[in-house]
This record gives sequence, C-alpha cells and structure tokens, in this order.
Amino acid sequence: EVQLVESGGGLVKPGGSLRLSCAASGFTFSSYSMNWVRQAPGKGLEWVSSISSSSSYIYYADSVKGRFTISRDNAKNSLYLQMNSLRAEDTAVYYCARGSSGRGYFDYWGQGTLVTVSS
Amino acid sequence: DIQMTQSPSSLSASVGDRVTITCRASQSISSYLNWYQQKPGKAPKLLIYAASSLQSGVPSRFSGSGSGTDFTLTISSLQPEDFATYYCQQSYSTLRYTFGQGTKLEIK
Repeated sequence: EVQLVESGGGLVKPGGSLRLSCAASGFTFSSYSMNWVRQAPGKGLEWVSSISSSSSYIYYADSVKGRFTISRDNAKNSLYLQMNSLRAEDTAVYYCARGSSGRGYFDYWGQGTLVTVSS
Repeated sequence: DIQMTQSPSSLSASVGDRVTITCRASQSISSYLNWYQQKPGKAPKLLIYAASSLQSGVPSRFSGSGSGTDFTLTISSLQPEDFATYYCQQSYSTLRYTFGQGTKLEIK
C-alpha cells in the first residue's frame, strides 16, 4: 500500500524557516517524481514544487521561487521542502503527492501538515 | 501561466442527479487535464487523468471528456458520498502546474 506521511509543520514567525519531510513507503520511491501542493485555509489547491525521480529536474511556483527548496533522498525514501523567509501568505496545509510517469497528475497524496506563519 | 477556470463555483444537487462540471484552460492543453475530489479535512483524491481515463478504484459513474481547452467531469447518478469539492488540474506545462478554483457540490 502506497503511503505518504508528512511531518515538520508548525507555527513559525514571519521571516522564519521550516523544513517539511515526507516519508514514502509501499512503492519504489526512486522511480517517481514527487511534488508539494499547498492549500491555504478555506482556499483551493496550489502547486508549489516538483522534483524528478533523480533530482535532475526541479520546478517551483513563482510564489515560492528563491525562498523554498525541494529535495529528496532516495536512499531514505524521503522528500523534503526547506522553507525560508516565510510569509503570512505561506500559511497552508502542505501535501506531498506522488507524480505520474510523464502525464503530470498526482496519484497518491499524504494527509498534509499545517504550516502557520504568524507573529 | 496557464489559467484554469471551473464552472460553476458551487452547485446544489440531489442524490440520483446527473451533474456536469466544466473546466476551461486559457490555452490548449491537449488532454493533459486531471480531476480530483476533496472532502473536508481530507487530502485530494485523483478521479480522472488524461481528460478521460478513470483512476483505478474510482466508481464508473464518474467520467471525463474534452480536449484542447474545454473539459467536463460528469457524475452520472449522484451518491451521498459524492458531495465534495472538485478540482481540475492542467499538467501540460510541467514548469507550472495549475489547478482550477474548485467546484463545491452540495446537497439540495
């Protein structure tokens, strides 16, 4: 069974940093692209970042480019999101999601971790 | 960026009704269109990928159609568990995936 479990969320002050993790199991992690998608309270879904299976290709939404860094450790079956210079508008539930092979859809999602940026 | 516009934003319907949700892309995205269902407090769930392919385990009352810029998600006979929010997502632009704003399906 495919499982994605996020951790690392919490309350942080504006300008602060946080590192999210996503532990994957039940599939060959190193064969799949991975993604972060977020959802602000009461709002819709926003794609944040994607990383290819071997980390060769990395993409970011304009809203986080230069502040967030996506990475992965295939030996540990883990995905990460380093978030720096956090703003109030980064407050959201952050989901990790497995990417499909070549079609760009997200077929499995974690349960999400809440990041709150507030003073 | 490719903009995705869903209509309607909200919809009231009854159990047994046939429901259609529309998603329009700001430019052609071929068939790189996916649909998700999200219930309150839960992660999104993939329903349809590549415009019309049903994800494994998803009931056959869900179907998708369209190509280019105009797409539809149809639920042939609404069940109580289908009341949720539905999102479309374009995956044509790998540099910038985008979602529609969502359609909230409520019980009439």
